[in-house]
Amino acid sequence: EAGVAQSPRYKIIEKRQSVAFWCNPISGHATLYWYQQILGQGPKLLIQFQNNGVVDDSQLPKDRFSAERLKGVDSTLKIQPAKLEDSAVYLCASSHDLYEQYFGPGTRLTVT
Amino acid sequence: AQSVSQHNHHVILSEAASLELGCNYSYGGTVNLFWYVQYPGQHLQLLLKYFSGDPLVKGIKGFEAEFIKSKFSFNLRKPSVQWSDTAEYFCAVNPGGGADGLTFGKGTHLIIQP
Repeated sequence: EAGVAQSPRYKIIEKRQSVAFWCNPISGHATLYWYQQILGQGPKLLIQFQNNGVVDDSQLPKDRFSAERLKGVDSTLKIQPAKLEDSAVYLCASSHDLYEQYFGPGTRLTVT
Repeated sequence: AQSVSQHNHHVILSEAASLELGCNYSYGGTVNLFWYVQYPGQHLQLLLKYFSGDPLVKGIKGFEAEFIKSKFSFNLRKPSVQWSDTAEYFCAVNPGGGADGLTFGKGTHLIIQP
């Protein structure tokens, strides 16, 4: 089966600019997750969707980050405005059976 | 909230050596436990998982892990490593019985020298 798709793979922006990341989960997976992985650390959950509803966004910096999952399939994560500390790899994962999460290749964001 | 601690951030071994990577978690309830691996240039992949039952779990590529509830540990082992095991290894946990997002450790960078 096709894996989790993410785009773009790399993005370089200046601070205070905005950026958006896209994720297409594995077909039929109802649960979608966005993680932020800063260099030298493990991934940190930002937001979790079940179909098109938000289950957990407690660690999402809502003053600058937003995410949506229209129609319960694709998802977009946006940062506006970006800060230097947002430089990280943004990972999307999806899950079907409540336990195993499948990860995409990630988007590497550099904020200068 | 749960947390995960991985004891070794960088490990260098020779081929055929035995491997044990430590992982301890902090959470008061039932947990699901995972080890993920990230090979150079590739995305995170599941190595093995524990939900319930036999505390000794076998995964892909000869890896296994043992859940010791009394020690809140889930250490990863492999009796004989290969050069191709060079990768970043992450221990992760989420509350048992649910589909919550994972809490990851900081990872262990494993280098196998031929």
